[in-house]
Amino acid sequence: AQSVTQPDIHITVSEGASLELRCNYSYGATPYLFWYVQSPGQGLQLLLKYFSGDTLVQGIKGFEAEFKRSQSSFNLRKPSVHWSDAAEYFCAVGVSNGNKLVFGAGTILRVKS
Amino acid sequence: DVKVTQSSRYLVKRTGEKVFLECVQDMDHENMFWYRQDPGLGLRLIYFSYDVKMKEKGDIPEGYSVSREKKERFSLILESASTNQTSMYLCASSSPAIASYEQYFGPGTRLTVT
Repeated sequence: AQSVTQPDIHITVSEGASLELRCNYSYGATPYLFWYVQSPGQGLQLLLKYFSGDTLVQGIKGFEAEFKRSQSSFNLRKPSVHWSDAAEYFCAVGVSNGNKLVFGAGTILRVKS
Repeated sequence: DVKVTQSSRYLVKRTGEKVFLECVQDMDHENMFWYRQDPGLGLRLIYFSYDVKMKEKGDIPEGYSVSREKKERFSLILESASTNQTSMYLCASSSPAIASYEQYFGPGTRLTVT
């Protein structure tokens, strides 16, 4: 069965520091991969997505992610974190049955000044 | 811009009440989804609809039902609310026509059952 693992429940980084959020997936075919962000009290907003082609994808708010098939990973990165990036981040994989998404448990990012 | 709206941001209901959560999308999307979100568990799919009057159970359908009488509207029904249904409920929509799996989310309804 398809699954997504986000190994870090919480991460704290200093403002201006770099960030990497980890995501590993389990899926037999070529995956459709997503990162969403949820600010407190809000719905989910799409940060970026990977379908095919270049394995390094750029998203909104200065985020990028790299697809590594050999490691079944799709880690999210940002070179310099801003206080407004504090939120919960979800990785998801698209599964073929009805355009559904399977989500990871999420990583809560805290930014300290 | 795609807009997905949910009828309430916060809702407090009593155990045993029948609860309706409404979701409306304005992009003519065929697919609509209801998720519940709990800390440490991510988003879990309750029900999915791929067309009017069509529905499919997700991973945790027990205690819930859905209704989709019009393409733009997808309702989640708790027939007899229980305290273990206290949660954040998120609605989403997508279009299979572009085969992208990208889902657009509403702001969520935080339901408390007392």
